[in-house]
Amino acid sequence: NAGVTQTPKFQVLKTGQSMTLQCAQDMNHNSMYWYRQDPGMGLRLIYYSASEGTTDKGEVPNGYNVSRLNKREFSLRLESAAPSQTSVYFCASSVTHSGNTIYFGEGSWLTVV
Amino acid sequence: SQQGEEDPQALSIQEGENATMNCSYKTSINNLQWYRQNSGRGLVHLILIRSNEREKHSGRLRVTLDTSKKSSSLLITASRAADTASYFCATDSGTYKYIFGTGTRLKVLA
Repeated sequence: NAGVTQTPKFQVLKTGQSMTLQCAQDMNHNSMYWYRQDPGMGLRLIYYSASEGTTDKGEVPNGYNVSRLNKREFSLRLESAAPSQTSVYFCASSVTHSGNTIYFGEGSWLTVV
Repeated sequence: SQQGEEDPQALSIQEGENATMNCSYKTSINNLQWYRQNSGRGLVHLILIRSNEREKHSGRLRVTLDTSKKSSSLLITASRAADTASYFCATDSGTYKYIFGTGTRLKVLA
């Protein structure tokens, strides 16, 4: 049982480049999330998808877009990467949006130079 | 802004001692969860406590919730070196998203 799988694990981008972080879960969860984690800031919600076909902004959505491709997959896109987007990105999922355990991927380390 | 704020930011104890960390939040919640993160890894769920519960146990973990003070505490008893990690609270206000605190870094010395 893979749980939540995100790729790539590590990526270095140049300022202005674009890239997509991929995430897939095999637990038949309805809700999926993208967080970023910066030193001293904890985890901040970028975007979430309460259910297939819906996406909504979290705390820090600027500079990002998301796609809920199907129930399993939720991708995060950086259209024009900036150094301020250097961070560790976590994808997560839960059965529904409230009252359930959140399962996390192992993280994607992104450096923008 | 962060919904949950953990306190202390860092804690260092000897193996066998108890570790207590606190979480304060700002708005009404449906439930609160605690997570552990080992260095370089994703977060792992520890325990969930609902707004109508005051205390919950799971193995060596004890969580309390005081909704009147908008605070929760996580107690780890008889700590082990393997408990060294960062601990986060996450609040669920029923707004379709979970908000995490800034975390407490626990170091257990063997």
